[in-house]
Amino acid sequence: EAQVTQNPRYLITVTGKKLTVTCSQNMNHEYMSWYRQDPGLGLRQIYYSMNVEVTDKGDVPEGYKVSRKEKRNFPLILESPSPNQTSLYFCASSSGLAVRTQYFGPGTRLLVL
Amino acid sequence: KNEVEQSPQNLTAQEGEFITINCSYSVGISALHWLQQHPGGGIVSLFMLSSGKKKHGRLIATINIQEKHSSLHITASHPRDSAVYICAVGDSNYQLIWGAGTKLIIKP
Repeated sequence: EAQVTQNPRYLITVTGKKLTVTCSQNMNHEYMSWYRQDPGLGLRQIYYSMNVEVTDKGDVPEGYKVSRKEKRNFPLILESPSPNQTSLYFCASSSGLAVRTQYFGPGTRLLVL
Repeated sequence: KNEVEQSPQNLTAQEGEFITINCSYSVGISALHWLQQHPGGGIVSLFMLSSGKKKHGRLIATINIQEKHSSLHITASHPRDSAVYICAVGDSNYQLIWGAGTKLIIKP
């Protein structure tokens, strides 16, 4: 089954404790991206990757890091989480940029205390 | 700046009603997407279109390139259609610009 998986689905952590949210897709997609979704603001792109070892900042990259060492995986790293990073995070992938169907992971709900 | 605007923001209707959600954009586009976000949070792609009209079951999406406008229609609406519907456009750099979403509630 074609899918994008994210882990964990729910996470409560404290300020400053490094965390990683994993994202994996099994569709051999080149393009992957991370979004955060906050009430009233819609989806905002954090980082995206057009292929292995190729990443670029989205609209709200501050406080986040990503890596793309393998085609299928695109982890999101919060080196020192802060309460303003409390949000719902989505990973997405597609076979091309905006002209291809976007596939989303189930979301990770993060609470930073 | 709101390059992609959806209307209405919220919509409540009775089961069986014909539903229309609108999306207007101000940029040149490579494609327009309609997605559905379930109450549980998951997001699924409904349509991707660059011209004309597409239909899938009770859902119909149309786009008018000249007017920079797209509509999503739901015929014979059902409570299970209750969700947030999101419009996104691919700009000339093939990046997606997201609308804020329309929250639809269908009452039985």
